[in-house]
Amino acid sequence: DTAVSQTPKYLVTQMGNDKSIKCEQNLGHDTMYWYKQDSKKFLKIMFSYNNKELIINETVPNRFSPKSPDKAHLNLHINSLELGDSAVYFCASSQRVAGTSNEKLFFGSGTQLSVL
Amino acid sequence: AQTVTQSQPEMSVQEAETVTLSCTYDTSESDYYLFWYKQPPSRQMILVIRQEAYKQQNATENRFSVNFQKAAKSFSLKISDSQLGDAAMYFCAYTPRAGSYQLTFGKGTKLSVIP
Repeated sequence: DTAVSQTPKYLVTQMGNDKSIKCEQNLGHDTMYWYKQDSKKFLKIMFSYNNKELIINETVPNRFSPKSPDKAHLNLHINSLELGDSAVYFCASSQRVAGTSNEKLFFGSGTQLSVL
Repeated sequence: AQTVTQSQPEMSVQEAETVTLSCTYDTSESDYYLFWYKQPPSRQMILVIRQEAYKQQNATENRFSVNFQKAAKSFSLKISDSQLGDAAMYFCAYTPRAGSYQLTFGKGTKLSVIP
């Protein structure tokens, strides 16, 4: 069973369109994330979200918005797509247990977004 | 702000030999985690090894070990008995212990393994 699953794996779209990438985790984790990997392979956090708090990286344009219908899902909506949005987007999840160091970050397999 | 620096964009190693990938970081936190992730061409992010800053003992996972120098803010990865399947991008990453797992990544080192 896949722990963190993203769909679609590949997304090709025209500039100006609105698109969504879905993410689901079956681990019961409290916190989910979106990371962006650019064409130079540089990975950068975009958002972290749990049921209490959304933390947004200040460099992320407001055309990007995470939406969480429930604890197991964190979808990424992108409005008015631009050429520079082409990248691989990774979803991830984690669970911190107070008093232990038994914590791990689980990544999805990534969504390659190409904006034409 | 935390930064992670990998000064070697590319490295190569002969099969069965040992290679060391370098990583330095900058933080004002005293308690944090450091990681090495492997990303093969399949794109999957695979955790190789994790180090907790409060532990003086260097982490090891089979053929992978780290040299963690907290005072120098250095965290290198040693791969022993290199195998063809080790060829990948390797990313060093950092997160403070407090709060959520917002990793700060280095720019990566592309490792090639020569048969």
